Amino acid sequence: GAGVSQSPSNKVTEKGKDVELRCDPISGHTALYWYRQSLGQGLEFLIYFQGNSAPDKSGLPSDRFSAERTGGSVSTLTIQRTQQEDSAVYLCASSLVQNYGYTFGSGTRLTVV
Amino acid sequence: GENVEQHPSTLSVQEGDSAVIKCTYSDSASNYFPWYKQELGKRPQLIIDIRSNVGEKKDQRIAVTLNKTAKHFSLHITETQPEDSAVYFCAASTGTASKLTFGTGTRLQVTL
Repeated sequence: GAGVSQSPSNKVTEKGKDVELRCDPISGHTALYWYRQSLGQGLEFLIYFQGNSAPDKSGLPSDRFSAERTGGSVSTLTIQRTQQEDSAVYLCASSLVQNYGYTFGSGTRLTVV
Repeated sequence: GENVEQHPSTLSVQEGDSAVIKCTYSDSASNYFPWYKQELGKRPQLIIDIRSNVGEKKDQRIAVTLNKTAKHFSLHITETQPEDSAVYFCAASTGTASKLTFGTGTRLQVTL
């Protein structure tokens, strides 16, 4: 596609429910990243996929968070038993192996009530 | 792991003046330093980047400088305009398709 696509753009969920966030990277981009941005804050690294290598999960804040990337393309970030502190904008980005720069998606704004 | 510090957190300048944002990094293996601009409610967008084999890079009104010895890099915006108002993030990484570690952001306000 022309850019990184994320869905849904907004998600409101009740505390304790599970949510799935989707990211469709730019075609041909082998690296995919998830970041979290709380209101007025910086970008917190969550997880990174590179080709067929094992993902770098070092940024996941708890075992309630998981992510997968199927077929080297689309990625899903799953948050189980959501808490209010999970409320944030979840940003996905992708890049070419040969290219250092990221392209970000528009993000999913998650609100846990 | 890498740690990136960014200053100032907020910066207000008059239209036409210059703005400078500074970042320091901790990992001497870092070799790629991009800057992102994020307008309110929008996604971060890459505006300029520099690699460790270069000391300075310019693109019209924006420039980035890198001092590897001191492990710091800076963003310079000249002749600021109201549309430059945004949050700017610096970042660092250690190689191709490696994760970026971001600074905490600088909110730039350009006043008329």
